[in-house]
Amino acid sequence: RKEVEQDPGPFNVPEGATVAFNCTYSNSASQSFFWYRQDCRKEPKLLMSVYSSGNEDGRFTAQLNRASQYISLLIRDSKLSDSATYLCVVDDMRFGAGTRLTVKP
Amino acid sequence: EAQVTQNPRYLITVTGKKLTVTCSQNMNHEYMSWYRQDPGLGLRQIYYSMNVEVTDKGDVPEGYKVSRKEKRNFPLILESPSPNQTSLYFCASSPGPRSSDNYGYTFGSGTRLTVV
Repeated sequence: RKEVEQDPGPFNVPEGATVAFNCTYSNSASQSFFWYRQDCRKEPKLLMSVYSSGNEDGRFTAQLNRASQYISLLIRDSKLSDSATYLCVVDDMRFGAGTRLTVKP
Repeated sequence: EAQVTQNPRYLITVTGKKLTVTCSQNMNHEYMSWYRQDPGLGLRQIYYSMNVEVTDKGDVPEGYKVSRKEKRNFPLILESPSPNQTSLYFCASSPGPRSSDNYGYTFGSGTRLTVV
């Protein structure tokens, strides 16, 4: 089993849709979690950290479920500019393979 | 400006010709890491370093070497490059995976390497 697993997608959604990604991790002792965004052929950039109580940043909401060992990212009111690959990361800096999102007009 | 600087951005080389990709960070980060990214495989860790003079293998270390003589620099060395090392390489740094100040990685802009 991979240490960090993500649904690779692609997710194709219309503008304004709500979309959610999950990411499972294997190490129950993991302590920090992140979501990154990567545009084509560019470096990944930190989107948001994931806190135990869940956290929100504008249209983006991240949640952690320790019991089931997964984190999630919810994007509301999708914009064309949200089209990218979303990567989850756990504290030993293991990256998921990424989930590709395409938002269409 | 806080950043991770990688050089070169693009490199085409021939099989067997030793090369070094440099990486430097100005954030006084303890932790540095190298990744390669290939289509369909995501980011795979090559080597990482928890501090000066401390380096460890990641998932795909074969064919690579690293050194951490100074905190800010973490060069990636390909002693004898082969075509299967053609890839997009990223250097990254962070305060440390279990640091209370951990806010994740900062990445360099990437090095696109082609070995012919």
